Amino acid sequence: NAGVMQNPRHLVRRRGQEARLRCSPVKGHSHVYWYRQLPEEGLKFMVYLQKENIIDESGMPKERFSAEFPKEGPSILRIQQVVRGDSAAYFCASSPLAGQSHNEQFFGPGTRLTVL
Amino acid sequence: EDKVVQSPLSLVVHEGDTVTLNCSYEVTNFRSLLWYKQEKKAPTFLFMLTSSGIEKKSGRLSSILDKKELFSILNITATQTGDSAVYLCAVEVGAAGKSTFGDGTTLTVKP
Repeated sequence: NAGVMQNPRHLVRRRGQEARLRCSPVKGHSHVYWYRQLPEEGLKFMVYLQKENIIDESGMPKERFSAEFPKEGPSILRIQQVVRGDSAAYFCASSPLAGQSHNEQFFGPGTRLTVL
Repeated sequence: EDKVVQSPLSLVVHEGDTVTLNCSYEVTNFRSLLWYKQEKKAPTFLFMLTSSGIEKKSGRLSSILDKKELFSILNITATQTGDSAVYLCAVEVGAAGKSTFGDGTTLTVKP
């Protein structure tokens, strides 16, 4: 019974490089959420995706950030031309169905991105 | 803009003490309030609250929601060092299940 998996767990990039973060949801879950956690802060919502669709990207910066959740394969959060301010822990969560009375989200272990 | 505020930001107690953590919110289209425990890695789910006045309990932890005053509390009795963690409050809004998180309360339990 694998939970949410994220890789890599740690990622180091130099300014200007690209970062790709992967998230495999719990088997059978079709809803994926990405959150960012800066040091000493809570989780901030970035984007909510269902298979092949972005449902809500209101928390995602309009430039350099993109996310996808293809029909096959993991969800990808992509950050282009990273800057030092992108250094954070990025958590992915999945849930089985939205619109239900209980929508517990299961979190992955996170990817810690460090931008040098 | 949806807002979730937790207090205190940090708390240091001794084993055996009882603590109360607070979470207040201002959101549109409230669906549920959730409490998570985070210990240096992924948050783990504690409680989900949707109805006012109904206490949820799990061992030494309990939580209750007041939808009229827009807040929730998380109580931990007879604290242990293993309770040391960041406790996050999140409010689920709308049909999409998007959650807005507070900044967390860092609890340190000293032996």
